[in-house]
Amino acid sequence: KAGVTQTPRYLIKTRGQQVTLSCSPISGHRSVSWYQQTPGQGLQFLFEYFSETQRNKGNFPGRFSGRQFSNSRSEMNVSTLELGDSALYLCASSFAPGTGLDEKLFFGSGTQLSVL
Amino acid sequence: DQQVKQNSPSLSVQEGRISILNCDYTNSMFDYFLWYKKYPAEGPTFLISISSIKDKNEDGRFTVFLNKSAKHLSLHIVPSQPGDSAVYFCAATGLTGTASKLTFGTGTRLQVTL
Repeated sequence: KAGVTQTPRYLIKTRGQQVTLSCSPISGHRSVSWYQQTPGQGLQFLFEYFSETQRNKGNFPGRFSGRQFSNSRSEMNVSTLELGDSALYLCASSFAPGTGLDEKLFFGSGTQLSVL
Repeated sequence: DQQVKQNSPSLSVQEGRISILNCDYTNSMFDYFLWYKKYPAEGPTFLISISSIKDKNEDGRFTVFLNKSAKHLSLHIVPSQPGDSAVYFCAATGLTGTASKLTFGTGTRLQVTL
């Protein structure tokens, strides 16, 4: 079955603009989480959605937001882009959160965002 | 504050030898640990995990060791193969978290040479 799909693959924006990234989870998966990967910080948790509700949120400013649709697809939005927002944004899906610690995340290939 | 630390950004090992990747954590609430492998232009893929009730978990060539008193875990790859060349991330979560909310280290780039 198809994996986690993220679009677009690459994105170039300028400071002050906003951006929307999209994620389609594995069929049947209802939980979607987002991570930011930067060289110095590794992967940092942004937020998690399940049944169209945000369940967890990481330590990021309010410029970072997200949502989940009834078909489990998710989008994240970053407003008023800053140079430091340049990163690889990874989406991960799982069947459901809290179903057990053996649950594994399945990551997409990410969207590489460059802010100029 | 980095709660999960991978102090070696890179490691080079000869094919056939053992690769040892290390990870330290500071949050004593963490009780489940995972290793992910990431190739360029791909998302991380799950490799192996260990619960705090164990001190060792083995899966083929991959073994993870956990030393709770030292808050340290390590991933051993034996024997190392060229296809193992990738970035390895250590991740942790706690009882109050879910597998969806992981705290990751900064990664170690492993290069397996011929």
